Amino acid sequence: GAVVSQHPSRVICKSGTSVKIECRSLDFQATTMFWYRQFPKKSLMLMATSNEGSKATYEQGVEKDKFLINHASLTLSTLTVTSAHPEDSSFYICSAPSVSGANVLTFGAGSRLTVL
Amino acid sequence: QKEVEQDPGPLSVPEGAIVSLNCTYSNSAFQYFMWYRQYSRKGPELLMYTYSSGNKEDGRFTAQVDKSSKYISLFIRDSQPSDSATYLCAMSGWTGNQFYFGTGTSLTVIP
Repeated sequence: GAVVSQHPSRVICKSGTSVKIECRSLDFQATTMFWYRQFPKKSLMLMATSNEGSKATYEQGVEKDKFLINHASLTLSTLTVTSAHPEDSSFYICSAPSVSGANVLTFGAGSRLTVL
Repeated sequence: QKEVEQDPGPLSVPEGAIVSLNCTYSNSAFQYFMWYRQYSRKGPELLMYTYSSGNKEDGRFTAQVDKSSKYISLFIRDSQPSDSATYLCAMSGWTGNQFYFGTGTSLTVIP
């Protein structure tokens, strides 16, 4: 089946630094990718929709200057958390529509960010 | 009213039991119905999906969709301790970038 590879799986950084998370579709092309944030024992919260070759679409309340999204190719989208603060600590997960002819998502394994 | 409703549980069953997980929805435009399994600190894993109404079976898992009642189910037969996880339902339309998720049901299978 389709695979979405997400790295790093865990990252710890100091407050004020920036962190980049990569999301790759390994065996299919993804013109669109989605970035979610998940708090402990809570459901997925859509942050933004990443579109290859154009600007990302951010959900209401998500700071686009803090969460920079780049969809540089049909297989790679990146999320950069800029000037990270402890409140940015969370589980970030990317996904992409992965089944040809079906509107179905495959998720990456997630990235746990801890900001000290 | 939320687009998708899912009982958060927690649900606890003995090993070997049949588990029934359910979601209801309000939008009749949904066409694809997905079930995901999420282990702690991992991303959701696609278990199966169905298109429109009907049943789909994959090993111990059976997904059912009743569009007339706007109700979907996932059945797990002969449940195993390794099935202990949170199960998310998700739905989408024919096309587009809108996906709607349930809040997840936490399942524990006791050996």
